[in-house]
Amino acid sequence: QKEVEQDPGPLSVPEGAIVSLNCTYSNSAFQYFMWYRQYSRKGPELLMYTYSSGNKEDGRFTAQVDKSSKYISLFIRDSQPSDSATYLCAMRNTGNQFYFGTGTSLTVIP
Amino acid sequence: DVKVTQSSRYLVKRTGEKVFLECVQDMDHENMFWYRQDPGLGLRLIYFSYDVKMKEKGDIPEGYSVSREKKERFSLILESASTNQTSMYLCASRGGGSGSGNEQFFGPGTRLTVL
Repeated sequence: QKEVEQDPGPLSVPEGAIVSLNCTYSNSAFQYFMWYRQYSRKGPELLMYTYSSGNKEDGRFTAQVDKSSKYISLFIRDSQPSDSATYLCAMRNTGNQFYFGTGTSLTVIP
Repeated sequence: DVKVTQSSRYLVKRTGEKVFLECVQDMDHENMFWYRQDPGLGLRLIYFSYDVKMKEKGDIPEGYSVSREKKERFSLILESASTNQTSMYLCASRGGGSGSGNEQFFGPGTRLTVL
């Protein structure tokens, strides 16, 4: 079983839609959770990070962590064509070992 | 802003060649990482370094070596390139400490093709 599972998509939504991206994980020791956005032919860029359970909001983006279910989500409100990218979830415990999902490809259609 | 730069965006090499990929970060980060990214497999850790001259193997170190002579620079070396090493190579850096927000920052990537 992989440490982190992420639906690869692809996901295609109309502009203005609410997008929900999700990852599940198996290691209950994970404490730090991240979302990266990767545009085509570019490196991943850190979008959001959270510690332990709860929600974190940044503009149109909300990251949610449910440690009891080992489930994390990223919500994008009022999605824009510029949000079209691959979204990677990542997580770690206290050390340097990061575990990444395989990424979900999102296309927002104008 | 953290800046991680990689020496080449695109590289084409022949089988058997020795290949050097360079990565430089400007934030005085202790930790640096090399990943490769392949469709359907995601990011896989090749090596990381937590200090100058220190290195640790990741999940797929075979066929690769690394060098970290200076804190800001981390090099990935393909001793004898093979076609199965055709991939996107990503370098990342991270500061010391375990707290939240102390995450990895990535470079733009090097797309390597081995013919």
